[in-house]
Amino acid sequence: DTGVSQDPRHKITKRGQNVTFRCDPISEHNRLYWYRQTLGQGPEFLTYFQNEAQLEKSRLLSDRFSAERPKGSFSTLEIQRTEQGDSAMYLCASSLAGQLEAFFGQGTRLTVV
Amino acid sequence: GEDVEQSLFLSVREGDSSVINCTYTDSSSTYLYWYKQEPGAGLQLLTYIFSNMDMKQDQRLTVLLNKKDKHLSLRIADTQTGDSAIYFCAESMDTTNAGKSTFGDGTTLTVKP
Repeated sequence: DTGVSQDPRHKITKRGQNVTFRCDPISEHNRLYWYRQTLGQGPEFLTYFQNEAQLEKSRLLSDRFSAERPKGSFSTLEIQRTEQGDSAMYLCASSLAGQLEAFFGQGTRLTVV
Repeated sequence: GEDVEQSLFLSVREGDSSVINCTYTDSSSTYLYWYKQEPGAGLQLLTYIFSNMDMKQDQRLTVLLNKKDKHLSLRIADTQTGDSAIYFCAESMDTTNAGKSTFGDGTTLTVKP
C-alpha cells in the first residue's frame, strides 16, 4: 500500500493557462476528496466522489474547476484559465465509506505567475 | 476555517507538555479531529473524538472536549523536537463521511531543545 499519491508535486503556470492534477487514492478506497489549502490557512473542502459519482461540490468550486473520477479509481482536477488567486496547495484524500479516517496525499502546489 | 478557530502559534521547550486549543461553532458536529502537517507533507490524522465523549487518551496525546463551550484541546506530553509541525483541528457533521471536514487554520507548534 503506497498511500495516496498526487502528481505533479509542484506546478508553475502562467495566468490563463489550463492545468490538470492527478490523484491516485489507496486502492480499495471508494471515496475520494479534493481540498484546497492556501498559505497560512487550513484545507477547504472542494468536492468528493463515491466511486465514479461526484456527490458534492463546494461553492468554492467555480465554473473553471472540474473534477472527474471516470473509473472510480484515480481522479483528476482541472483548472481552466488559471488566475493568481488559484495559487494554493491542492490536497487529495481517500477513505472507505463508513470509516472514520481519511488519508491525505502530499498535495500538488500550484503557483500561477 | 470560519467555523473552527485556533491560536496561530505555540512555542514550548522539549520535554514540556503542549496544549493546543480549538473552538468550533456547530453544535451538531459529530466527530472532532486533530491532524498534523509537517513541512512539504500532507495531513496525518493523529486522533479523533466523538462528540459524546469528554476525553480520549492515546499514548502521549490527550484530547479533551467541552461540548457545552464547544472547546477542544490536544495535549502532547513530553513534547519532542519531532513534534514541531502545524496542528489542525477539524470538525465533521456527517457520521458517514469522515473525509468531509471543516478545518481550522492551524496552530504552528515550535519545540525548542
